[in-house]
Amino acid sequence: GESVGLHLPTLSVQEGDNSIINCAYSNSASDYFIWYKQESGKGPQFIIDIRSNMDKRQGQRVTVLLNKTVKHLSLQIAATQPGDSAVYFCAEISGGSYIPTFGRGTSLIVHP
Amino acid sequence: KAGVTQTPRYLIKTRGQQVTLSCSPISGHRSVSWYQQTPGQGLQFLFEYFSETQRNKGNFPGRFSGRQFSNSRSEMNVSTLELGDSALYLCASSPEGDSSNQPQHFGDGTRLSIL
Repeated sequence: GESVGLHLPTLSVQEGDNSIINCAYSNSASDYFIWYKQESGKGPQFIIDIRSNMDKRQGQRVTVLLNKTVKHLSLQIAATQPGDSAVYFCAEISGGSYIPTFGRGTSLIVHP
Repeated sequence: KAGVTQTPRYLIKTRGQQVTLSCSPISGHRSVSWYQQTPGQGLQFLFEYFSETQRNKGNFPGRFSGRQFSNSRSEMNVSTLELGDSALYLCASSPEGDSSNQPQHFGDGTRLSIL
């Protein structure tokens, strides 16, 4: 399928490594954050979310960290697999808004 | 439970034509949002519908319009197509539309190419 985006930041890792994808958000009033994964030819797929009253949340092989002081969000993927190759987007939502604001995305490439 | 379904998956049109894209949300979801995704601009919000009413609108010209039916299915229409309208159009649904509490779930999009 076609690539989701050109000139995206790219992270290349070896299979089995841990991956960290970073996202700086813009609105200090944002209180809900989501990570999405988008594979080539598909729509964004929900991975994990976190609310502003937390600074860490874990899922299966994924952990999201939130640092509200510096408005920074990160997604950690443990034991990265080739199937994790995709573009990853963060999204922020401020209280009372129905519409998330998406980051530009990071392309993760996992080498076998 | 079936996911968000968008039809058609691919469309080729010429400048000046119009196009209608369709979205069936996840069963029980009442909010439907539309996004345009391009390599240069990323994901850009078009509009959001809830209970057949447009509740939010992005910064797109009036050539872009939409509607939602009583069964929550939604359509978007683009008239007088321009080359710059070539993009992946994504539909997303959520249960009650309060994105501050629940994530949106996306379909796989309609790839629109304008010749």
